[in-house]
Amino acid sequence: LAKTTQPISMDSYEGQEVNITCSHNNIATNDYITWYQQFPSQGPRFIIQGYKTKVTNEVASLFIPADRKSSTLSLPRVSLSDTAVYYCLVGDQAGTALIFGKGTTLSVSS
Amino acid sequence: DSGVTQTPKHLITATGQRVTLRCSPRSGDLSVYWYQQSLDQGLQFLIQYYNGEERAKGNILERFSAQQFPDLHSELNLSSLELGDSALYFCASSVGITYNEQFFGPGTRLTVL
Repeated sequence: LAKTTQPISMDSYEGQEVNITCSHNNIATNDYITWYQQFPSQGPRFIIQGYKTKVTNEVASLFIPADRKSSTLSLPRVSLSDTAVYYCLVGDQAGTALIFGKGTTLSVSS
Repeated sequence: DSGVTQTPKHLITATGQRVTLRCSPRSGDLSVYWYQQSLDQGLQFLIQYYNGEERAKGNILERFSAQQFPDLHSELNLSSLELGDSALYFCASSVGITYNEQFFGPGTRLTVL
């Protein structure tokens, strides 16, 4: 499984766009990139998954460059309720385990 | 609400004891996963069951065991408990057998005194 590196923490203000970048230099051809969000004392929640280029859903966008060695989770116009830990995971569809790293703690202030 | 239920919500017990954590997956999901989250180790994958059969093992101790029943609910058994077993235990479920979106339950907070 490819190792991922993300910033330990980020700070933002309400209404701003937040971009969290994840580095995964050893990503394999069959690997997908997935992001989860976790609030304190709650289970992680799936945000978005992608393989290449750009994926967008109702809560976030995921940008993956052509070399796929990194990816960026973009959260538009964050609010206080987006304060959470964000995990970047890389794995192939044949795998089963989600390998969580330390994640990025996002703090949104008013 | 993810649709995954876990009981009990909180559990306080003593060292050396045995406890059972229960998980009911989302309707239609065949895979059940167990994870342990502690402050120093982060979120660790323990074990996965798919349609009643063990599918994958992670960092699960020999003192821990799990099973998935015909109705697809799962139980995680923790025995000879140690102080270091104090953690949040999450169950997750997914439709298929492979790496895809997993839905996590609210967790069981285990405190070993």
